[in-house]
Amino acid sequence: KAGVTQTPRYLIKTRGQQVTLSCSPISGHRSVSWYQQTPGQGLQFLFEYFSETQRNKGNFPGRFSGRQFSNSRSEMNVSTLELGDSALYLCASSLSRNGYNEQFFGPGTRLTVL
Amino acid sequence: AQSVSQHNHHVILSEAASLELGCNYSYGGTVNLFWYVQYPGQHLQLLLKYFSGDPLVKGIKGFEAEFIKSKFSFNLRKPSVQWSDTAEYFCAVDTNAGKSTFGDGTTLTVKP
Repeated sequence: KAGVTQTPRYLIKTRGQQVTLSCSPISGHRSVSWYQQTPGQGLQFLFEYFSETQRNKGNFPGRFSGRQFSNSRSEMNVSTLELGDSALYLCASSLSRNGYNEQFFGPGTRLTVL
Repeated sequence: AQSVSQHNHHVILSEAASLELGCNYSYGGTVNLFWYVQYPGQHLQLLLKYFSGDPLVKGIKGFEAEFIKSKFSFNLRKPSVQWSDTAEYFCAVDTNAGKSTFGDGTTLTVKP
């Protein structure tokens, strides 16, 4: 079974630009969660989608948004990029998100904002 | 709001030493507990998980963790570490609502 894939793997943007990251979950997984990983803050939960609906959201500003398509693929968008948005963005998929299913993580997208 | 605290940011051990990484959480309701590991250059992957039942759970590669409800703790242990255990370890808490909270992580360096 193929794992979680994320594209692109690396991205360099400048302040003020916007960016879209993509995540393809494991086949059959309907839940996709996004995390921001930074050395100082660890893994911070961004949001979780299940069957095209956002079910949970972390404490991030509205510049961070996402969506999920009918095939469970998900995209995350960050508008008006700031230097502090530089991070590794991880996507994780699971069968469902009732708390009983482990999450399978992708390799992440390394975003650098200059 | 739930939170997860990992007490040690960086642990350095020699091979064959015993390991215990602390994890405490704050949440009043039912939780499911996980330890994930990130080896250098690799994805985060599950080490072990606790949902219910025996509070001592065993995971891959000889790791185990004990859930102590009264202490809100879920510490990770391994009797004898190997150089290949060098990695970053994350404790995570899930509620039944599906929201995950991770600790800040502990970097383990095992010296050969």
